[in-house]
Amino acid sequence: DVQMTQSPSSLSASVGDRVIITCQASQDIGNYLNWYQQKPGKAPKLLIYDASYLEPGVPSRFSGSGSATDFTFTITSLQPEDFATYYCQQYDNLPLTFGGGTKVEIK
Amino acid sequence: EVQLVESGGGLVKPGGSLRLSCAGFGFSFSDAWMSWVRQAPGKGLEWVGRIKRKSDGGTTDHSAAVRGRFTISRDDSKNTLYLQMNSLKTEDTAVYYCTTVTLVTAGSLDSWGQGTLVTVSS
Repeated sequence: DVQMTQSPSSLSASVGDRVIITCQASQDIGNYLNWYQQKPGKAPKLLIYDASYLEPGVPSRFSGSGSATDFTFTITSLQPEDFATYYCQQYDNLPLTFGGGTKVEIK
Repeated sequence: EVQLVESGGGLVKPGGSLRLSCAGFGFSFSDAWMSWVRQAPGKGLEWVGRIKRKSDGGTTDHSAAVRGRFTISRDDSKNTLYLQMNSLKTEDTAVYYCTTVTLVTAGSLDSWGQGTLVTVSS
């Protein structure tokens, strides 16, 4: 199975801050990577697919980059509604596997 | 608007069985690949498995953790996805989400239900 390692596991940030989350795959997955946002008690929401493409309706302050084994998820100016847990997920190989998540909390 | 509504969760004893359902609305269910993802309390996301649409063979794939115990199926006439869970273990306790799978990438889970909680405990 492809192991996905996310870091950090949690972070504290203020509104307006730039937030960067990284995700490392245990093998080359090309650009077959998604990012999801999950708020407490809610289902995850797909934000980015194919490593860098925004789902329709997702604000442009969210972005993704990377390929092969190293990927980055960025929020350029953190908004109050962005406090949540973020997950990366690879789909190069079955089983689909997720990173452990990054909880973004208010500083 | 795509809507997925799960049902069938509840409390079951170890070794027991349960069947989850997921009704789909607002999209062409028969044209969709579907999947199940679970989340243990306070933990991360774990893929359970998927089923392709009939025109792509209707085949299923299950994770190693559930293979041989869980079975994913679909009834396109009822726009419903199922997860039959047998030989349940305490570690199967989780919220179970059904999702659609985008055909463009075949691996992006683009719509999710609200989830249904399965608790396995004696």
